[in-house]
Amino acid sequence: EVQLVQSGAEVKKPGESLKISCRSSGYTFTNYWIGWVRQRPGKGLEWMGIIWPGDSDTKYHPSFQGQVTISADRSIATAYLQWSSLKASDTAMYYCARSPLGPPNFYFDHWGQGSLVTVSS
Amino acid sequence: SDELTQPPSVSVSPGQTATITCSGNVLLNQYAFWYQQKPGQAPLVVMSKDSERPSGIPERFSGFNSGTTVTLTISGVQAEDEADYYCQSAGRSGTYSVFGGGTKLTVL
Repeated sequence: EVQLVQSGAEVKKPGESLKISCRSSGYTFTNYWIGWVRQRPGKGLEWMGIIWPGDSDTKYHPSFQGQVTISADRSIATAYLQWSSLKASDTAMYYCARSPLGPPNFYFDHWGQGSLVTVSS
Repeated sequence: SDELTQPPSVSVSPGQTATITCSGNVLLNQYAFWYQQKPGQAPLVVMSKDSERPSGIPERFSGFNSGTTVTLTISGVQAEDEADYYCQSAGRSGTYSVFGGGTKLTVL
């Protein structure tokens, strides 16, 4: 059974750094893209970026380029999303998800349960 | 343009047909994918490559691409279909994707 298990909720202050994780199981980690999606409270889905764990090829939506970093550790089948300096506007639910197709046809067939990030002073 | 435009809301009575549209220039030559999201849950893909229904998705869900507009149709809508629906397709460069703004389907 394919599973993507995300790290738990985080409460941070503006300016702090953060790295959230997404552990995959039930399939060959290096054979699928893993992406991240933001959903602010009461708002829609926003496609952030995606990584090919096989060689760490990473692609970002222009709105998120330079704002976050996506990485992966093949040895533990885990993808990461990190911020160096959080802002209040980063408060959101973040989902990781698996894409069976590559560009331009990324889409997500399995999703993590979401990680809630709250940034507040 | 990267934009995918969806109506904010659609309402139908049980048993009727719900039609949700997604418009954007990129749809002329890129596939669209559709997701269903219920409150407090992660999204679920309900349509792939414009009109391919993933395993486990009821036959009442169908999709069609007519150029710059793709349509998700739910025939014989049931109460359990009440959810937010999002379309997704390629961004301008093809190296990233974008979501539409989402459509709230209300089953009256």
